[in-house]
Amino acid sequence: DAGVTQSPTHLIKTRGQQVTLRCSPKSGHDTVSWYQQALGQGPQFIFQYYEEEERQRGNFPDRFSGHQFPNYSSELNVNALWLGDSALYLCASSSRTGNPYEQYFGPGTRLTVT
Amino acid sequence: GNSVTQMEGPVTLSEEAFLTINCTYTATGYPSLFWYVQYPGEGLQLLLKATKADDKGSNKGFEATYRKETTSFHLEKGSVQVSDSAVYFCALSENRGSTLGRLYFGRGTQLTVWP
Repeated sequence: DAGVTQSPTHLIKTRGQQVTLRCSPKSGHDTVSWYQQALGQGPQFIFQYYEEEERQRGNFPDRFSGHQFPNYSSELNVNALWLGDSALYLCASSSRTGNPYEQYFGPGTRLTVT
Repeated sequence: GNSVTQMEGPVTLSEEAFLTINCTYTATGYPSLFWYVQYPGEGLQLLLKATKADDKGSNKGFEATYRKETTSFHLEKGSVQVSDSAVYFCALSENRGSTLGRLYFGRGTQLTVWP
C-alpha cells in the first residue's frame, strides 16, 4: 500500500517564476493538506482540500493556490516566486470516514528559489 | 488563537539516557495533541497522539500525557537509542467533528543520541 507520494523531489526556480507541486494521497484517503516548512522551523499550514474544494486556509497570500482532482490527488501552485518561498513543501492526507486524528505526510518537495 | 511552544534544542544525550522534551500549548476549545518525528531527508511521521485531557499517548517507548491544567504535552522516553536521533515536533489540532483540522506545529527540537 503506497503512502503519500509527492513530485518532484527537488526543484530549482528563479524569482518571478511559477511552480506546480503534486501530491497523491494514501490509498483510501480523501482529504489533502499542504504545509510549508522553512529551514529550521515547524511546518506552517497552507490549505486543506476535500471534495475538490478548499476548506481551510492558513495565513498565505493568494499567490498560493491549489486544486484537488476527482481521484483525490492535489496540486499546489505558487505564482510570482520570492526567495522567501524556498522551503520544503509537505503534503498530508487523511480520511474523513476513517480515523480523523491521523494525518500521513509525504516526503516533501524541496523548492529552492534563486 | 492556537499555538505550540516547545523546548529549544538541540538536545544531546548519551545512549540509554532519559529524555524529556517540553511542550506547552495555547488553544481555543479542546484540541487534540500530537508528537511527530522527522528523520533526516524525510517527511513527518506521527509518533503518538492524545485526543482528550488525561489521555496518555505511547509508541516505541515514547510517552506523553495530555495535561489540561498545565496546558502541556511533554514527550518522555526512559532509555534513548542512537536510532532516536531526529527532529521532534509537538502539534495540536482543533477537533472539528469528523474532520481533522489544521495542525499547528512547534518549531521542533533536534535530538542527537551518542553511543
